[in-house]
Amino acid sequence: DIQMTQSPSSLSASVGDRVTITCRASHDIAKYLAWFQQKPGRAPKLLIYTASTLESGVPSRFSGSGSGTDFTLTISSLQPEDIATYYCQKYSSALWTFGQGTKVEFK
Amino acid sequence: EVQLVESGGGLVRPGESLRLSCAASGFTFYNYGMNWVRQAPGTGLEWVSTISDSGGRTYYADSVKGRFTISRDNSKNTLYLQMNNLRAEDTAVYYCAKGKYYQDEESPFHIWGQGTVVTVSS
Repeated sequence: DIQMTQSPSSLSASVGDRVTITCRASHDIAKYLAWFQQKPGRAPKLLIYTASTLESGVPSRFSGSGSGTDFTLTISSLQPEDIATYYCQKYSSALWTFGQGTKVEFK
Repeated sequence: EVQLVESGGGLVRPGESLRLSCAASGFTFYNYGMNWVRQAPGTGLEWVSTISDSGGRTYYADSVKGRFTISRDNSKNTLYLQMNNLRAEDTAVYYCAKGKYYQDEESPFHIWGQGTVVTVSS
């Protein structure tokens, strides 16, 4: 099975900071990678798919990059409403595996 | 508006069964793959199962294979998850989610329900 490993598991940042989260697949998954945001007590929300395509309605400060095994989610300027846990997910080869999550908190 | 509403969660004892439902509205249900995802208390997201638009193809995580069955009734716009031989480690919030791509279950999870809580405890 393909494993998805996110880093860091948590981070602290200030409003306006640039935040970067990485996700590594144990095997090549091309660009079959999505990013989700989950706030406490809420369902996850799709942010990005095909590694870099921004979902409709998602602020442009969110961006994704990568292909193959290494991927990145970037928040260009952290806003208070961005405090959440972020997950990557692969969706190819009949396995829809999530990373373990990255919790983003205020410093 | 696309909407997914889960129901059927509750408290059951180990070894018992439960069937979850997910009522869909606002889109052509029969044209999209559907999924179940769970989240145990204080932990991350775990993919559970996926079903194709027609229901002809189903997929399961190893942790539930042989115990859980995903199905759908396209005439009722409803997704199901039959859970048998439940264990304490199945305790979680269970979400249903719609695939984003038309007639392709290998698809990012586009729209999520609010979740239903399953507790397995003696």
